[in-house]
Amino acid sequence: GNSVTQMEGPVTLSEEAFLTINCTYTATGYPSLFWYVQYPGEGLQLLLKATKADDKGSNKGFEATYRKETTSFHLEKGSVQVSDSAVYFCALNTGSNYQLIWGAGTKLIIKP
Amino acid sequence: DTAVSQTPKYLVTQMGNDKSIKCEQNLGHDTMYWYKQDSKKFLKIMFSYNNKELIINETVPNRFSPKSPDKAHLNLHINSLELGDSAVYFCASSQGQTGLYEQYFGPGTRLTVT
Repeated sequence: GNSVTQMEGPVTLSEEAFLTINCTYTATGYPSLFWYVQYPGEGLQLLLKATKADDKGSNKGFEATYRKETTSFHLEKGSVQVSDSAVYFCALNTGSNYQLIWGAGTKLIIKP
Repeated sequence: DTAVSQTPKYLVTQMGNDKSIKCEQNLGHDTMYWYKQDSKKFLKIMFSYNNKELIINETVPNRFSPKSPDKAHLNLHINSLELGDSAVYFCASSQGQTGLYEQYFGPGTRLTVT
């Protein structure tokens, strides 16, 4: 079946550090891949997405590249800020069903 | 204007009670969802409606019943509340019915059952 695996958190970094949050997936066909972010006390919001292999999604300084050969969609940011502290969710959809398949979420803590 | 709104934001109640959570979206979307998020932030889809028709009905106790009076509203009614129902419940909406469309989430309703 389809599934998403994220690195376990929390991930704790200092401000201006380089961030990588790993996400790998198992899916039939050619899924679309997403990163959603949940800031404290809020609902989730879409951060970026990629719909085919080798696509790069980017937003707010975050990037992720759809790697079909390694079935990965790792989230990266070159210099994190305290305001990036949140829970990050990787998700996929194969287009043939109605729902997103969600990873377990990774909590990111940025210290000043 | 809030795109997806939920009421109430906090709900504290006793075991055995019946409660409802309301959700409204003003985005003109056709599809709405209910999710449950547990204390470890794990997100689980519960239900989804498209144009008032139920399209996702995951393995959820039948004490939970969604109701969609129109495209803009999706309410969640919970009978005979149990301790394990304590969680944050999120409503979401999207333009289309497959997971390819961006989902817009409400702020959540924190339900505490004592």
